[in-house]
Amino acid sequence: DAKTTQPNSMESNEEEPVHLPCNHSTISGTDYIHWYRQLPSQGPEYVIHGLTSNVNNRMASLAIAEDRKSSTLILHRATLRDAAVYYCILLLAGNQFYFGTGTSLTVIP
Amino acid sequence: NAGVMQNPRHLVRRRGQEARLRCSPMKGHSHVYWYRQLPEEGLKFMVYLQKENIIDESGMPKERFSAEFPKEGPSILRIQQVVRGDSAAYFCASSPIRGQYNEQFFGPGTRLTVL
Repeated sequence: DAKTTQPNSMESNEEEPVHLPCNHSTISGTDYIHWYRQLPSQGPEYVIHGLTSNVNNRMASLAIAEDRKSSTLILHRATLRDAAVYYCILLLAGNQFYFGTGTSLTVIP
Repeated sequence: NAGVMQNPRHLVRRRGQEARLRCSPMKGHSHVYWYRQLPEEGLKFMVYLQKENIIDESGMPKERFSAEFPKEGPSILRIQQVVRGDSAAYFCASSPIRGQYNEQFFGPGTRLTVL
């Protein structure tokens, strides 16, 4: 049931933008795309979610491909506090989150 | 406004003992979810409960594991006769209503170690 595919790790320099990709080629028309992040030894934290249109909030932006088979989480200016594992999740009917292994983001000072 | 609370934060059990993990959802939230995270892996869904009802337990192991969310008090995840493979971080999340657009709020987790 691996519904999302993400790179295992990425690096970014501090204060530069970061683009975290996610493939979800089996997405159905009603699946929402959610992004969460998990800091070491903490529970996951909500970042952003969307269905079809691009979304912006105070933390990040979410760009969703027109065919919805991929999406990109954009952190506009990475800080050291953004170092975490980022999970791209499809929220299916039944309210179940399917977490993959996520992308471990390293921010370099 | 307190977030999702879990206790204990760390739990050590010997093989064969019982483990009880507690989760108090955010105020006003009636939907609770339990996840398990093995080392170096992502979270795996276990069970989804509403007050006094199990809605979806498709991720729960068939034996030794049970969950409840009584009318009063926290949600409990119970593991009987623990084995070393049960060692993991167990996370609880809550949401106010059910829906694919809804954010789930996670607790800090309980780290279970089975000796």
